[in-house]
Amino acid sequence: GQQLNQSPQSMFIQEGEDVSMNCTSSSIFNTWLWYKQDPGEGPVLLIALYKAGELTSNGRLTAQFGITRKDSFLNISASIPSDVGIYFCAGSYTGANSKLTFGKGITLSVRP
Amino acid sequence: KAGVTQTPRYLIKTRGQQVTLSCSPISGHRSVSWYQQTPGQGLQFLFEYFSETQRNKGNFPGRFSGRQFSNSRSEMNVSTLELGDSALYLCASSSDRDTEAFFGQGTRLTVV
Repeated sequence: GQQLNQSPQSMFIQEGEDVSMNCTSSSIFNTWLWYKQDPGEGPVLLIALYKAGELTSNGRLTAQFGITRKDSFLNISASIPSDVGIYFCAGSYTGANSKLTFGKGITLSVRP
Repeated sequence: KAGVTQTPRYLIKTRGQQVTLSCSPISGHRSVSWYQQTPGQGLQFLFEYFSETQRNKGNFPGRFSGRQFSNSRSEMNVSTLELGDSALYLCASSSDRDTEAFFGQGTRLTVV
């Protein structure tokens, strides 16, 4: 089945630094989504991507849909303490059994 | 516009009991998906309902079931609870399978 790979499992950065997260797939997708989850809460949608090569920003966040349609990245610039959380990528492909597939997430820690 | 609402937020049950969780999607959304989230396994897909029909199912035992009503509200039921069923159960709604999925805050189920 489809699998999404996110690594590393955890990232530690200093406040003010930029950080980039990558997500790769064994299959092609036509939708990529990035979510952030705070402890004890549900994931919140950050950015949605629908076209190969698409680059989309949301404040300090920028995400890109890879040209091969098998990867996506999320960049957070000038990190702040509230960026702490788990970041998930998710992808889907239109088809009879289409559903969102999630990566295992990356836990981001930001040192003040 | 109200978000996805899940009730209850917290539940404690004993082994062997059954439990029913509820999810009210965003108004106008007809697709509701359920996920189980545990620290070791990440977000695992349970099933998806669209217009009262289950159109996708994950690899969970038959003890896990769900349904969707004509107003798109969904319930999931877990029978004969096991300790390993302790998890955060999340539901997500979307207007269609290929668009953004929005999550509720989840129901934290603890089985003792």
